[in-house]
Amino acid sequence: DTAVSQTPKYLVTQMGNDKSIKCEQNLGHDTMYWYKQDSKKFLKIMFSYNNKELIINETVPNRFSPKSPDKAHLNLHINSLELGDSAVYFCASSRGLTDTQYFGPGTRLTVL
Amino acid sequence: AQSVTQPDIHITVSEGASLELRCNYSYGATPYLFWYVQSPGQGLQLLLKYFSGDTLVQGIKGFEAEFKRSQSSFNLRKPSVHWSDAAEYFCAVGAPGGTSYGKLTFGQGTILTVHP
Repeated sequence: DTAVSQTPKYLVTQMGNDKSIKCEQNLGHDTMYWYKQDSKKFLKIMFSYNNKELIINETVPNRFSPKSPDKAHLNLHINSLELGDSAVYFCASSRGLTDTQYFGPGTRLTVL
Repeated sequence: AQSVTQPDIHITVSEGASLELRCNYSYGATPYLFWYVQSPGQGLQLLLKYFSGDTLVQGIKGFEAEFKRSQSSFNLRKPSVHWSDAAEYFCAVGAPGGTSYGKLTFGQGTILTVHP
């Protein structure tokens, strides 16, 4: 069983489009995260939710909006996609904010 | 805010040789420390972690790391590298409190190449 899963694995889209990436965890964790890994493999946190409440909101354009319908899901919606949004987006989860984070397989987003 | 430096961007070793990947961190107190491994096209897998206690921690796949407070380091070691260890390795630091509470900061990664 996959602990943290993401869909889709690959996403290719045109500039200006709106897209969503979904994340689900079956670990029973209370905390979920979104990270962005750029072309230089630099991994940076974007958001964190704890019990469906937004806890961490880094300096990310307003075009990015996380949504947590329940503790097991954290989706990422991106409006008006730009070329610079091309990256690999990783979802992660942990029991609490200071516990080990378990990562999903990533979603490679390509904006043309 | 915390920061992590992995001084080596790329390391090449021969199969069977020993390995040490360096990681230095900056944080005002004792942080949480992690090593993750990423194979091409894959997500990040946790190798080991340090929260407190014994400064020498054992992980999966025969890896170990030693927390040295005086040097602000958390270097990853393996006595004998296998070809399957070729991947990218990330050191990460987490803050147990303060304004960075809950944030995991990653180093820039070290790519490991293993020669047969």
